[in-house]
Amino acid sequence: KAGVTQTPRYLIKTRGQQVTLSCSPISGHRSVSWYQQTPGQGLQFLFEYFSETQRNKGNFPGRFSGRQFSNSRSEMNVSTLELGDSALYLCASSKEASGGGDTQYFGPGTRLTVL
Amino acid sequence: GQQLNQSPQSMFIQEGEDVSMNCTSSSIFNTWLWYKQDPGEGPVLLIALYKAGELTSNGRLTAQFGITRKDSFLNISASIPSDVGIYFCAARTTIRTALIFGKGTTLSVSS
Repeated sequence: KAGVTQTPRYLIKTRGQQVTLSCSPISGHRSVSWYQQTPGQGLQFLFEYFSETQRNKGNFPGRFSGRQFSNSRSEMNVSTLELGDSALYLCASSKEASGGGDTQYFGPGTRLTVL
Repeated sequence: GQQLNQSPQSMFIQEGEDVSMNCTSSSIFNTWLWYKQDPGEGPVLLIALYKAGELTSNGRLTAQFGITRKDSFLNISASIPSDVGIYFCAARTTIRTALIFGKGTTLSVSS
């Protein structure tokens, strides 16, 4: 079974530009979460999508947005990039098992560098 | 807000030694997860714990869900060089709440 895939793996942008990152979850998984990882702040939750609806949102500015498609694939967008947005952006998918007990599986991440 | 205090921050050990790391919080959680991350890659799930008091093993790895539901530990026995990496604990309150992460424990193993 294929794992979570993220594209692109590496990206270089300049300040003020916008960027779109893509995530394909494990087949059969309906929940997709996005995280930002930086050396200083660690792993920080951005948002979670389930069945095309945003279910949870972390404490990030409105420049960070996302969406999920009917096939569970997800994209996240960052507009007006700032130097501080340089980070590893991780996507994780989960099945959303009923009755409790759910596990998130991560993709390899997209390394975004803002110059 | 909720946060996980993971310790130690880093460890330098000899091959063959046992390792122990833990996460504590003032909040109660219903799920504890342990991940390992290699440089440039996403975290890989090692062990998932869903019940207070649960003790689960995965090869040389053993993790426990604290009975108070506020902590968890991970033990690695007989460490080998490929155990090198960053280990993260993560926890969530319910299936519908976001996963929060500890800051990680960086493990270095010398042969």
